[in-house]
Amino acid sequence: SQQGEEDPQALSIQEGENATMNCSYKTSINNLQWYRQNSGRGLVHLILIRSNEREKHSGRLRVTLDTSKKSSSLLITASRAADTASYFCATDKEYGNKLVFGAGTILRVKS
Amino acid sequence: GAGVSQTPSNKVTEKGKYVELRCDPISGHTALYWYRQSLGQGPEFLIYFQGTGAADDSGLPNDRFFAVRPEGSVSTLKIQRTERGDSAMYLCASSLWGRNSPLHFGNGTRLTVT
Repeated sequence: SQQGEEDPQALSIQEGENATMNCSYKTSINNLQWYRQNSGRGLVHLILIRSNEREKHSGRLRVTLDTSKKSSSLLITASRAADTASYFCATDKEYGNKLVFGAGTILRVKS
Repeated sequence: GAGVSQTPSNKVTEKGKYVELRCDPISGHTALYWYRQSLGQGPEFLIYFQGTGAADDSGLPNDRFFAVRPEGSVSTLKIQRTERGDSAMYLCASSLWGRNSPLHFGNGTRLTVT
């Protein structure tokens, strides 16, 4: 079963615009992580945010976490064609050992 | 340093055959995960190792699937009596200590059962 659900399923923007992806989950978590996957490749870790954190930044990436709404968002600023990929959120439940992934958002950045 | 290595990168087998998929994690990483990903879907958890032991195997779909990590490093995912529904990308990941540490993924093994 998948814990996180990303929204939208697909997003197409122009280079230079910002891209926002959302993730909702169902049960209490220890942390939430975002990953990127280029076609036919493995996933690459982007950011980990713990349940007691509300916002985290890494370069052009900004992640927010609202545990009261059980949701997170990933913002990519000043997008580039190279940002074209699938983006997944994954939750590490409060009790348990496994990281559970959502179905992902497909981002296409047009140059 | 070297990342997570998975072999083979592609495997085509006939229905009913036995297959083994290998994962070489990053040196020093104690945690190792296996996931399965179908086209257009997110990775689906199969099993998690902490050291040599399977800490959580709740994602293995049935008893045809088995995984080992005998020395706490290399892991092998074994699938018996393969079915066409087993066709997917099988991803391996390792992390330094498990919880609260990011996963480092290999490029996967594409399994096709004909």
